[in-house]
Amino acid sequence: GAVVSQHPSRVICKSGTSVKIECRSLDFQATTMFWYRQFPKKSLMLMATSNEGSKATYEQGVEKDKFLINHASLTLSTLTVTSAHPEDSSFYICSARGGRTLGEQYFGPGTRLTVT
Amino acid sequence: DAKTTQPTSMDCAEGRAANLPCNHSTISGNEYVYWYRQIHSQGPQYIIHGLKNNETNEMASLIITEDRKSSTLILPHATLRDTAVYYCIVSTGNQFYFGTGTSLTVIP
Repeated sequence: GAVVSQHPSRVICKSGTSVKIECRSLDFQATTMFWYRQFPKKSLMLMATSNEGSKATYEQGVEKDKFLINHASLTLSTLTVTSAHPEDSSFYICSARGGRTLGEQYFGPGTRLTVT
Repeated sequence: DAKTTQPTSMDCAEGRAANLPCNHSTISGNEYVYWYRQIHSQGPQYIIHGLKNNETNEMASLIITEDRKSSTLILPHATLRDTAVYYCIVSTGNQFYFGTGTSLTVIP
């Protein structure tokens, strides 16, 4: 199947700093990428949909100025958590669509963010 | 919001078939049923999807009722590595809204 990578896999940052997470589709062109957040023992929550070359569409309740998304190429999307606070600590997962099968999303391994 | 309902947890004996049900009574005609699973602290893994007909691949089988209001994922011979949270998602192929999923535990 198609491969999606994320970097870093884990990051610890201090409160007030910004953190950038990269999501790459390694063997296919991803016309659309999605960003999710998952708290412990909870399900994935969709944060935003990112289409290459256009502005991301954010889900209700997700602050676009806090979670900056850039999808500059067909293989790379980035999520920047700005002015991070401890409550932003979570598991961030990206997915990409654009493979052979309609609608099928390929998920990255996730990034564990801890804000101290 | 998620449009699916799944049991919170299930157990299955190793080597036996695991049947995971999902209710999606408000599914629209252009929505597919997707199944993914998530092993602890990893990204979800695609299993199978379908629209109307039953589907089978190397991982599992998907049985969709004729009225499309429910489906069942079948893992024919469960192994310990199949222990995971299984998510049933209905989608037109755009956004995925995850429900709470079913935590499947395969017992030796």
